[in-house]
Amino acid sequence: DAKTTQPPSMDCAEGRAANLPCNHSTISGNEYVYWYRQIHSQGPQYIIHGLKNNETNEMASLIITEDRKSSTLILPHATLRDTAVYYCIVRVFTGGGNKLTFGTGTQLKVEL
Amino acid sequence: GAGVSQTPSNKVTEKGKYVELRCDPISGHTALYWYRQSLGQGPEFLIYFQGTGAADDSGLPNDRFFAVRPEGSVSTLKIQRTERGDSAVYLCASSLFHGMETQYFGPGTRLLVL
Repeated sequence: DAKTTQPPSMDCAEGRAANLPCNHSTISGNEYVYWYRQIHSQGPQYIIHGLKNNETNEMASLIITEDRKSSTLILPHATLRDTAVYYCIVRVFTGGGNKLTFGTGTQLKVEL
Repeated sequence: GAGVSQTPSNKVTEKGKYVELRCDPISGHTALYWYRQSLGQGPEFLIYFQGTGAADDSGLPNDRFFAVRPEGSVSTLKIQRTERGDSAVYLCASSLFHGMETQYFGPGTRLLVL
């Protein structure tokens, strides 16, 4: 799986949009971009994934650049409960077991 | 519905002892994963089960680590002759089948080896 690069930490004011960047310059054409987050003392939680089109669900939006070398996770109205470590993961569908390869992620701190 | 559960939530043991960590996946999920997370790091893959069989155990660090899933549901991670370096949070995840389905994680077992 391709390696990803994320900033180690970010701050965001409550109610504002949180934009978390991820670089994956070596991504292959068949690799998806996944985002998980991990709130303190909990297991990781799936947020969203995409291949090349932008995606939106009830939790977040995922913007993938046209060359697919980077992406941005957007939390449109961050709350204190969004404080967590956010992991950007790229993975290929092999039809078999698909382990997740986590980096160190971005620690997002949402403040009043 | 019930999520992935793991027991115990915390385990303290002495160096050299044997420990077992249990994972109850979401009902009906055929794929089960074990990960290990050290302080300040992201989770690292250990082993993946599809049904009762270990389809990928490439992440197990050495032969002191072993996992089973005899009936295709509950899984047990077993660590022999524990070492202080085994101290970590052990996470279990399950997904409906395999492939690209979402993995749902349990809260983890915090293992401390003294």
